[in-house]
Amino acid sequence: GESVGLHLPTLSVQEGDNSIINCAYSNSASDYFIWYKQESGKGPQFIIDIRSNMDKRQGQRVTVLLNKTVKHLSLQIAATQPGDSAVYFCAENLDMEYGNKLVFGAGTILRVKS
Amino acid sequence: DARVTQTPRHKVTEMGQEVTMRCQPILGHNTVFWYRQTMMQGLELLAYFRNRAPLDDSGMPKDRFSAEMPDATLATLKIQPSEPRDSAVYFCASGWGANSEAFFGQGTRLTVV
Repeated sequence: GESVGLHLPTLSVQEGDNSIINCAYSNSASDYFIWYKQESGKGPQFIIDIRSNMDKRQGQRVTVLLNKTVKHLSLQIAATQPGDSAVYFCAENLDMEYGNKLVFGAGTILRVKS
Repeated sequence: DARVTQTPRHKVTEMGQEVTMRCQPILGHNTVFWYRQTMMQGLELLAYFRNRAPLDDSGMPKDRFSAEMPDATLATLKIQPSEPRDSAVYFCASGWGANSEAFFGQGTRLTVV
């Protein structure tokens, strides 16, 4: 049938709960990953990054986990707040012979209920 | 407050017209990306530059799109002639290249009627 657009997965959480957003990446050779947050009407904003020689990295209220075996990335947000409502993207750094390029996943909508 | 600046923020144009979008990367960054965001395709990489040289524009329709960096403080994305299917938000981002984050501008919302 006719496509009407990307159907982004949506995660709804209660304010104060923890959120886990998942991402599957495509290239086993990717060596660097970033999570971005995009609020309505704005450009994507950097949240946290991780290199392939690590499996966990923590920031302020956020933790990124990397599982290279299954090519999976997750973003954990502790004590989710209404201001966390946004679309979250994972991005992988693809190593090309002429350089590197940053490729984004489809995104996940996070809705925080007060 | 270093940031990527894009102009215009909004553009409405008629089919067939030329559109030029401009981007001022963060001073000192050596890599510039152009992305297009639509509901259908999400965030697509159109082109990127390192040290002002185009490294990859495979994501860009070559017959109508062109991207340039006339100098280190200006990147441009042109569409000629524009078509309704080009309607999207176009983002510019800059960074330090391999294994580093990209900083995004606020985007140019293009509507082609």
